[in-house]
Amino acid sequence: DSGVTQTPKHLITATGQRVTLRCSPRSGDLSVYWYQQSLDQGLQFLIQYYNGEERAKGNILERFSAQQFPDLHSELNLSSLELGDSALYFCASSPGLAGVNEQFFGPGTRLTVL
Amino acid sequence: TQLLEQSPQFLSIQEGENLTVYCNSSSVFSSLQWYRQEPGEGPVLLVTVVTGGEVKKLKRLTFQFGDARKDSSLHITAAQPGDTGLYLCAGVSNDYKLSFGAGTTVTVRA
Repeated sequence: DSGVTQTPKHLITATGQRVTLRCSPRSGDLSVYWYQQSLDQGLQFLIQYYNGEERAKGNILERFSAQQFPDLHSELNLSSLELGDSALYFCASSPGLAGVNEQFFGPGTRLTVL
Repeated sequence: TQLLEQSPQFLSIQEGENLTVYCNSSSVFSSLQWYRQEPGEGPVLLVTVVTGGEVKKLKRLTFQFGDARKDSSLHITAAQPGDTGLYLCAGVSNDYKLSFGAGTTVTVRA
């Protein structure tokens, strides 16, 4: 158990819909990262927040957005969903910045878009 | 396009055999990390290598960072079924972003 929690574990929805994935980082960790893992693209970095502010952006689509709240939990919002958005979405947290501190990954949310 | 290329993509060996997984890139990274991911779970960090030429050992696992900090290898000695999993390398750039390779799926048969 990494100490990072993600909800829900599974999510099945239809194309065009909007969903919200939630992540609670390890106690004391200030950084939250979101990743997408699919069979054809592997693990792709989406976005990072540090202490409530956006820190780095990766391959995140404009239809996706995220935020980190004052209590440090984070939400990833996916809208106008397409079949290709079906993937595992991981949240990770670290005390500071990656490369300096280890990233601890949550168990993931499996999103299926039908 | 992956910044980091891992090879082989799949590896199936018998218990007790040795194996090596490679991670190559045309980019220089400030450090490189190796993760193992088991089905239904998130990746778990195994090691971080920082210095070119660095070798780190973790029980039966040996990690090496290339002199130019562009490539790395993971060698497992006397593999056990518990070593089965997806092995991912991740390069850490100067702006602290992680770029993951596509992974190597290792299966160790009893």
